[in-house]
Amino acid sequence: AQTVTQSQPEMSVQEAETVTLSCTYDTSESNYYLFWYKQPPSRQMILVIRQEAYKQQNATENRFSVNFQKAAKSFSLKISDSQLGDTAMYFCAFMKLGNTPLVFGKGTRLSVIA
Amino acid sequence: DSGVTQTPKHLITATGQRVTLRCSPRSGDLSVYWYQQSLDQGLQFLIQYYNGEERAKGNILERFSAQQFPDLHSELNLSSLELGDSALYFCASSVDSNQPQHFGDGTRLSIL
Repeated sequence: AQTVTQSQPEMSVQEAETVTLSCTYDTSESNYYLFWYKQPPSRQMILVIRQEAYKQQNATENRFSVNFQKAAKSFSLKISDSQLGDTAMYFCAFMKLGNTPLVFGKGTRLSVIA
Repeated sequence: DSGVTQTPKHLITATGQRVTLRCSPRSGDLSVYWYQQSLDQGLQFLIQYYNGEERAKGNILERFSAQQFPDLHSELNLSSLELGDSALYFCASSVDSNQPQHFGDGTRLSIL
């Protein structure tokens, strides 16, 4: 079974600064997908970024980028130029190939401070 | 807007009762997933349907059941409700294999 671990229950960052959220996972699969989802106080689950394990290049989406280290089974999220609207819970998630359910970490609560 | 519609947004009921949560997936999405988010257990997968057929089962209690109808909407039925069933229930959908899941806004279930 796959497991996802987020070791930072809470983090804070000053507005306009950069912050990195950590995620590690355990799997015996060689190909899979990794995701970061954002859950703001409104409780919606919003897809932030996705990484395919077979791609060596790290995914980027505007101010969001990942550092994917397959051998270390590590998948961190970097948020640049943090904005107040980035305040949310961030969940790391794992998905095996083939239209399978997501396995989530416990989440990291990020607060962006003005 | 993710395109996934869940109703109702909030539900308050008593122990021992039965409720039905409804989900309409994004247009064209064949897979529907149900997840439960509680304070102590985090986000947990309950059950998945693909084009009307059950595809995978997670930590779903026997008191819970689900189905996906020919028009692809899905319902999650929760019966003999207990205080511990209070949670946020999410539905997500995806178009096919290896595509991201898009989540609805959830149904907040409170058991009094």
